[in-house]
Amino acid sequence: GAVVSQHPSRVICKSGTSVKIECRSLDFQATTMFWYRQFPKQSLMLMATSNEGSKATYEQGVEKDKFLINHASLTLSTLTVTSAHPEDSSFYICSARDPGGGNTIYFGEGSWLTVV
Amino acid sequence: GNSVTQMEGPVTLSEEAFLTINCTYTATGYPSLFWYVQYPGEGLQLLLKATKADDKGSNKGFEATYRKETTSFHLEKGSVQVSDSAVYFCALRRGGSQGNLIFGKGTKLSVKP
Repeated sequence: GAVVSQHPSRVICKSGTSVKIECRSLDFQATTMFWYRQFPKQSLMLMATSNEGSKATYEQGVEKDKFLINHASLTLSTLTVTSAHPEDSSFYICSARDPGGGNTIYFGEGSWLTVV
Repeated sequence: GNSVTQMEGPVTLSEEAFLTINCTYTATGYPSLFWYVQYPGEGLQLLLKATKADDKGSNKGFEATYRKETTSFHLEKGSVQVSDSAVYFCALRRGGSQGNLIFGKGTKLSVKP
């Protein structure tokens, strides 16, 4: 079946540095990918919708300059957390919509980010 | 606005027990409803879905019926197994088939042998 791969699964970075998380659709072309964030004991909150070849659409309250999203190809979207701070520590998960598969949404495994 | 509320966990059951995880939603229009499952160390997987009122989604022994009158989509299984231990998320999709998902907070299920 369709698979979405997310990398890295865990990352620790120092405060003030930037970290990139990749989301790949392995066997389908995803024109749209979504990035979510999950705080402890909270729901998955949509951060932004990423469309291939265009700028991402951010949800209200999400800082565009802090969470840079690039969807340069039909199989890859990246989320870069810039100038990371400890409060950015969270679980980030991407999903990709398969337009050839009835618009089914598949999720990556998620990435645990810890900023120290 | 659109939102999903599901029962808080954790839920701990013995093997072969009956499972119900409640989910209610608030939405304009007629959203599609989903249950996703996240097994330890893995990403979210679609468990079942229903796209219109009175539809019943089912998979792996789990069932949920789209009840518009009560705005609910409760997840049930008649006899749980240890392998069902996971976090279950109820979700709705806004904006038709092109929309993103809105999730509940998730309910952790632990099944003891």
